[in-house]
Formats: sequence, structure tokens, C-alpha cells
Amino acid sequence: AQSVTQPDIHITVSEGASLELRCNYSYGATPYLFWYVQSPGQGLQLLLKYFSGDTLVQGIKGFEAEFKRSQSSFNLRKPSVHWSDAAEYFCAVGARAAGNKLTFGGGTRVLVKP
Amino acid sequence: DTGVSQDPRHKITKRGQNVTFRCDPISEHNRLYWYRQTLGQGPEFLTYFQNEAQLEKSRLLSDRFSAERPKGSFSTLEIQRTEQGDSAMYLCASSLTTSPGELFFGEGSRLTVL
Repeated sequence: AQSVTQPDIHITVSEGASLELRCNYSYGATPYLFWYVQSPGQGLQLLLKYFSGDTLVQGIKGFEAEFKRSQSSFNLRKPSVHWSDAAEYFCAVGARAAGNKLTFGGGTRVLVKP
Repeated sequence: DTGVSQDPRHKITKRGQNVTFRCDPISEHNRLYWYRQTLGQGPEFLTYFQNEAQLEKSRLLSDRFSAERPKGSFSTLEIQRTEQGDSAMYLCASSLTTSPGELFFGEGSRLTVL
């Protein structure tokens, strides 16, 4: 069965500083990997996805993520955070079959200090 | 296109009552998913439809839960004889078969069972 672990429940970062959110997954084959963001009062929004090919993927809002097969990781990064990046971030793994349902991690809440 | 909409946004009910949530997906999306999210957790998969066919149900979905998508458009999720443990945010998402894992989420329906 597939699973996702996000080790950091909360992260506080200063505006303008860099951000890295960790994600480790367990899946029997090459997975589909995703990062979603949930802002207060809003639905989850897809930031970026990895299916195959280049292991460094670019997403919206200046985010990027790197797939590392050897570490079963898919960490999310942003070079310089903005106050509007305060939100909860979810890593997810998707099966390549079975309706492509997603299994989500527990999330990391990001607080941005002025 | 207004995205995925869910109704009601909030529902407070007494234990033992039945509740029904409605989801209107993005019109051209043939897949529709229901997830449940409790405080501090990531979304958990409940069930999904491809067009009107319900193709998978999670073991989390007890016999008190039933979902339908009668004409392959909107969907309903009914919970019978609600229990306090059913209190959660119920999320609906839709996607295209051609875009695996790229889910568009609604803002959710928050259920509180007293």
C-alpha cells in the first residue's frame, strides 16, 4: 500500500527566506507525486506534479520539487517566501492505475514571519 | 466555469440524524472523488466515480455512507445515523482521465455531529 510521510508538522520562516518542505513516500513502483496547497477557507490547489523524466519539476507560485528515487523523497522548495505562502502543504502519491486516487501526507503548516 | 462547488458548506446535526452533501464538479470532468479530512490530517480517500460508475470504495466507508453520481454529473454523499466520529470536512474533487492525479478540489463541506 502506498503511504506518504511529512515529518514536519509546522515550519516558521521569515519572509524572503528560503523554504524546504520534506516528503517521503512508500510505493512499490515509480509513483506519480504531487504537492498541493491549502490556504485558509480555500480548496486544495495543485502546485506541481512529477510523472517521469526530469527529476526537478517546476510549479506555480515559484515552487519547485525534486524527486529522488534513492531516498524515496519529493521535497518542495521555494527560494524566497512571500507572506501569501502561509498555508498548509500536502504531499501526495498517486497510483499509476486504479483511478489515480491520491494518498496524502499529514501536511506541513507554514507560518511566515514579517 | 466556476470550479468544483459543494453544498452545504457547513452542517451541524445531532447524533443519529442523516445528512447529505452535494458536489458539482467541473462540467467536463469525468472523474469525481470524495475525501474526508479531519483536523490536522491530510485528506483520506473515500470513494471515486468515473462518469456514473462508482469504481472504488475505501474501507473507511462504512455501510452508513453511500455515494451516488446518477447521471455522471453531480454527486451526493449521504451519511446515515451520524456519529460524533463522522465530524470532519468532506472534500469533493474532480479530474479528467487524461490528467491523472490533477484533482480540482471544492472548498469542502464541514460536518459537526453533536
